[in-house]
Amino acid sequence: EAQVTQNPRYLITVTGKKLTVTCSQNMNHEYMSWYRQDPGLGLRQIYYSMNVEVTDKGDVPEGYKVSRKEKRNFPLILESPSPNQTSLYFCASSLSLLPYNEQFFGPGTRLTVL
Amino acid sequence: RKEVEQDPGPFNVPEGATVAFNCTYSNSASQSFFWYRQDCRKEPKLLMSVYSSGNEDGRFTAQLNKASQYVSLLIRDSQPSDSATYLCVVPLYGGSQGNLIFGKGTKLSVKP
Repeated sequence: EAQVTQNPRYLITVTGKKLTVTCSQNMNHEYMSWYRQDPGLGLRQIYYSMNVEVTDKGDVPEGYKVSRKEKRNFPLILESPSPNQTSLYFCASSLSLLPYNEQFFGPGTRLTVL
Repeated sequence: RKEVEQDPGPFNVPEGATVAFNCTYSNSASQSFFWYRQDCRKEPKLLMSVYSSGNEDGRFTAQLNKASQYVSLLIRDSQPSDSATYLCVVPLYGGSQGNLIFGKGTKLSVKP
């Protein structure tokens, strides 16, 4: 089944404790992206990757890191999480960005930072 | 002016009604537009793409007005199953070609 998977789905952690949210897609997609969704603010792009070893900042990259060593994986790293990073996170992928193709979203990761 | 703006709603309509949402965008260079549907606490899913003047798929019609920089979504004969939040998405072409801007969404509730 073609899908985007994220792990963990739910995470409660404490300030400063490094964490990684994994994202994997099995569709051989070139483009992958991370978003966070907060009430009243909508979906905001954190980082995106146009292909392996190619990443770029979205609108809200501060406090996050990403890597794209393999085509299928695009982990999101929070080196020192803070309470303002409490949010619902979505990973997405698409065949390519230009011309634009449908983005497939993972099921989301609900992160709480205490 | 914000890059992508939507009326947040909520739009509360009876079953069978026709409802329209507008989405305005600020980047006049934008060439493609998208409507996604998001159910509560679920991931967004593509509803419709708009590349030229418009697109139609069953009860759903998307129209683009480049002169006025807005894209609309029309839902005819709305059903309770249409209840969701509808997100307008505009890719920003140019320097950072991977940037995607999402509107905050318009919430629709269709009552039987």
